[in-house]
Amino acid sequence: EIVLTQSPGTLSLSPGERATLSCRASQSVRSRYLAWYQQKPGQAPRLLVYGASSRATGFPDRFSGSGSGTDFTLSISRLEPEDSAVYYCQQYGSLPWTFGQGTTVEIK
Amino acid sequence: EVQLVESGGGLVQPGGSLRLSCAASGFTFSNYAMSWVRQAPGKGLEWVSVIGGGGGSTYADSVKGRFTISRDNSRNFLYLQMNSLRAEDTAVYHCAKDLQWEPHGWFDPWGPGTLVTVSS
Repeated sequence: EIVLTQSPGTLSLSPGERATLSCRASQSVRSRYLAWYQQKPGQAPRLLVYGASSRATGFPDRFSGSGSGTDFTLSISRLEPEDSAVYYCQQYGSLPWTFGQGTTVEIK
Repeated sequence: EVQLVESGGGLVQPGGSLRLSCAASGFTFSNYAMSWVRQAPGKGLEWVSVIGGGGGSTYADSVKGRFTISRDNSRNFLYLQMNSLRAEDTAVYHCAKDLQWEPHGWFDPWGPGTLVTVSS
């Protein structure tokens, strides 16, 4: 089973700043099969990025994903108040599909 | 618009059973693999099971032998039969649509979920 470790646990930033979220895998993720989800309180998660760097429908280009192998990054440039959420990475390169423990982004 | 709505959650005693349903609309249900993903209260996400468009299924080790995923393509419903429930199965259970007929593994969209509480 691939274990995903996200860091930091919590990120507290001001509007307009840049957020950098890390997701590290215990073994290489096949074919960059890495997704990111955004979850706001009381809501279901929403697919944000798939294939490590392809942005899902409905998200602005302030969100970008990158990485390969065991190291992946989600960047949010120019933070806005509505970006406050928990962000999860997930690998779907091998079963069982697994999630990281999440990074909470707080907007000051 | 794709919509997924779960039902069937509730309070059940340890060792008991529950059947969850997920009503799908807005897409050709039979053309897509579907998964169940759960989230324990205040915790992270755990993939539970997937069923392909043709009916083949896979399970997380934590539920293998106790849970059964199934689908009714004529009625556009996904199910999760949960037996021998344990306290650690307490979670919100979401159904989620996959990318394609064969399981691919990313989830878009998700239903709002139904809460299962296992407690005496």
